[in-house]
Order: sequence, then structure tokens, then C-alpha cells
Amino acid sequence: AQSVSQHNHHVILSEAASLELGCNYSYGGTVNLFWYVQYPGQHLQLLLKYFSGDPLVKGIKGFEAEFIKSKFSFNLRKPSVQWSDTAEYFCAVNAWGFQKLVFGTGTRLLVSP
Amino acid sequence: NAGVTQTPKFQVLKTGQSMTLQCAQDMNHEYMSWYRQDPGMGLRLIHYSVGAGITDQGEVPNGYNVSRSTTEDFPLRLLSAAPSQTSVYFCASSQREGAFEQYFGPGTRLTVT
Repeated sequence: AQSVSQHNHHVILSEAASLELGCNYSYGGTVNLFWYVQYPGQHLQLLLKYFSGDPLVKGIKGFEAEFIKSKFSFNLRKPSVQWSDTAEYFCAVNAWGFQKLVFGTGTRLLVSP
Repeated sequence: NAGVTQTPKFQVLKTGQSMTLQCAQDMNHEYMSWYRQDPGMGLRLIHYSVGAGITDQGEVPNGYNVSRSTTEDFPLRLLSAAPSQTSVYFCASSQREGAFEQYFGPGTRLTVT
């Protein structure tokens, strides 16, 4: 069965600090990878996605993620966080041929001004 | 387009009561799904549907029923509510084929006392 691990459950940063959130998945075949963000009191919104091609993908609001197939990882990065990035971030995986999206447990990011 | 809509936004039930959470989408998506979100557990798939008349169980289906009579609607029924079903429920939809990018509704916060 597919699974997704997000190792950082809570992250606290100051504004302008750099961010990297880890995501690892367990599935040996081809995958589609996603990062979703949930701002306080809101529903999930897509931050970025990887289907194929360039393993470095850029999303909205300056976020990017790198797919490293050999490490089964899809880490999320942002060079300089803002207070408005305070949210919960979810990594998700869809294995080709499986009509399900499997989510990690999420990482709560708090950015202090 | 309204996207994915859910009603109600909030609901309080007593143990043993039944109710239906409504979900509708206007994007002509074949795939629809229900998740529950609990602290520290991320999103867990309850039931999903790949098209009208076709439904299947997800990770945590017990205590919930679904049906899909139209492409647009995918209601979730709680047969006999239990305190363990206190959660935030999200409905999502996507194209059945391809990238499997899901679009989420605003959620229903359910409390069972």
C-alpha cells in the first residue's frame, strides 16, 4: 500500500527564513506528486504538482519542490517565508493506476513576524 | 463556476442520529471523494466514486454510506453518529483520468455529542 511520510509535524520560523519541508512516499512505480496548503479556517488549495519532466517544479507564492526519484522524496522549499505563509502543508501521492490520493499527516508552519 | 460546494458548514449531532452531508461540483468531474481530517492524522479517504453509479470504499469507510446517482452530486450519509465521527469532512473532485489533481470543497465541521 502507498504511504506518505511528513517528518516535520510543527515548524516555527521567523520571517525571511528559508523553508524546507520533507515528504517521502513508499511506492515503487510511477507517481503524481502534490503539495496542498490549508490556510487557517480554509479548505485545501493546490500549491504545486509534479507529473513528469523537470523534477524541479515551481508553484504559487514562490514555493518550489524537487522530486528525487532515488530517494522517493518530494520536498517543499521556499527561500524566504512570510507571515502569510502560516498554514498547514500536506504532501500527497497518486500512484499511477490507483484512483486514490494518499495524504501525509501534514506539517503546521508558523511564521513569526 | 462554483467549483465544489458542501453543506452544511457546521453541524452538531447527538449520538445515534443520522444525517447527510451534501457535496456538489459543477466541473463535470467524474471522480469524487470524501475525506475526514483529524488532528495529527492528515486526510483519510472515506469513500470515492469514479462515476455515476460507481462507488468504492476508502481507508476509513465504517459508519458511512455513499451513493452517486448523478455526476454532480456525491452525498455522504452517517447512519448512526458516534463521537468518533467528530471531524472535519472534505469533499473533492477531479478528472478521472490523467493527473488526478483534486479540487476541494470548503468542508463541514461535524461534532457528535
